[in-house]
Amino acid sequence: DGGITQSPKYLFRKEGQNVTLSCEQNLNHDAMYWYRQDPGQGLRLIYYSQIVNDFQKGDIAEGYSVSREKKESFPLTVTSAQKNPTAFYLCASSIRGGRPLGNEQFFGPGTRLTVL
Amino acid sequence: KNQVEQSPQSLIILEGKNCTLQCNYTVSPFSNLRWYKQDTGRGPVSLTIMTFSENTKSNGRYTATLDADTKQSSLHITASQLSDSASYICVVSYGNKLVFGAGTILRVKS
Repeated sequence: DGGITQSPKYLFRKEGQNVTLSCEQNLNHDAMYWYRQDPGQGLRLIYYSQIVNDFQKGDIAEGYSVSREKKESFPLTVTSAQKNPTAFYLCASSIRGGRPLGNEQFFGPGTRLTVL
Repeated sequence: KNQVEQSPQSLIILEGKNCTLQCNYTVSPFSNLRWYKQDTGRGPVSLTIMTFSENTKSNGRYTATLDADTKQSSLHITASQLSDSASYICVVSYGNKLVFGAGTILRVKS
């Protein structure tokens, strides 16, 4: 069963705590992305990775960190420096790097993070 | 500024009726335009993707049109079903960037 999985589906965090969201894909895609979705707004790019051991900041990277140690995994850490972390987080992947944002992206089911 | 505007923000229609969703963009230079369907609490799923030279593309009951001159696209849904209730997102690609619209929330009532 190929696809992108994200876990957990729901996550609650106290203020001041770091939390890591998981994203795994078995599509053999080179490129992976993290987006944030807020009500009434379009998806905003946090970080993306075109290849293992390489990643670039997106439009709203402050307060977030990522790693890409394996092709199939791209975890996102929401740090205590992120001022308004409550949101729906979506992970995506596409076949190739190089110009990954021009290739069709496949999305995971999302993680809803709530800061208490 | 590169923007994608979608209208209406939300729409309620009766099952079996048709509807049309609009997308206007100011993105330049344009590469392609995609429509995604997003069910509540789920990730977006691609419906269609159109390049500069394509005017129409269909996927079952979904038909997307593109007018690159006026920078407008529409998504027409025929004979709506309850399962069409979702958010529909227009995404425009330019270079190596994507610009997402805020989406139109469609609710189909029986």
